[in-house]
Amino acid sequence: RKEVEQDPGPFNVPEGATVAFNCTYSNSASQSFFWYRQDCRKEPKLLMSVYSSGNEDGRFTAQLNRASQYISLLIRDSKLSDSATYLCVVKGGAYNTDKLIFGTGTRLQVFP
Amino acid sequence: DTEVTQTPKHLVMGMTNKKSLKCEQHMGHRAMYWYKQKAKKPPELMFVYSYEKLSINESVPSRFSPECPNSSLLNLHLHALQPEDSALYLCASSQDGTGTTEAFFGQGTRLTVV
Repeated sequence: RKEVEQDPGPFNVPEGATVAFNCTYSNSASQSFFWYRQDCRKEPKLLMSVYSSGNEDGRFTAQLNRASQYISLLIRDSKLSDSATYLCVVKGGAYNTDKLIFGTGTRLQVFP
Repeated sequence: DTEVTQTPKHLVMGMTNKKSLKCEQHMGHRAMYWYKQKAKKPPELMFVYSYEKLSINESVPSRFSPECPNSSLLNLHLHALQPEDSALYLCASSQDGTGTTEAFFGQGTRLTVV
């Protein structure tokens, strides 16, 4: 089993749609959680950190459920520019707080 | 400034060559990372340095040799690579070892082994 797993993509959605991505992680000692976005042939860029209380940044909402070891990302009112791969990232663990592990990624394609 | 700078951006090397990838950050970050990314796959952790000491080696072959000369610099020395080592090599840094801070990535070095 992979340490961090995500929905298999791709997601093809029209502009204006709401889309949700899910992620599960296996290490219960993980300490922090992030969503990154990666455009084709570019480096990953931080989209948002994920907190237990949930957090929102404009059209993006992230949730963390530590009991279920589950992370989600909701994108409302999708734009063409949201097309990218979304990577769930889990950091920290029992033996090394610096370990940063990527999920498999979910490709989003927003069409007009 | 959240910049991580990697050089070179592109590198083509033969299987008998020795080359080095360089990474630099001036954010005072104490953790630095090397990742390897193949096409259509997520980044795969190779090495982590924490406070200039190697803290994680994810069973990477010895033909890849990391070095952290100081807190701002991270190198990856390459020797006798194979064509399957062709990939995007990403460097990242994060503030400290508490496990709570995000990482920032450089633009990567696209390596082709011929």
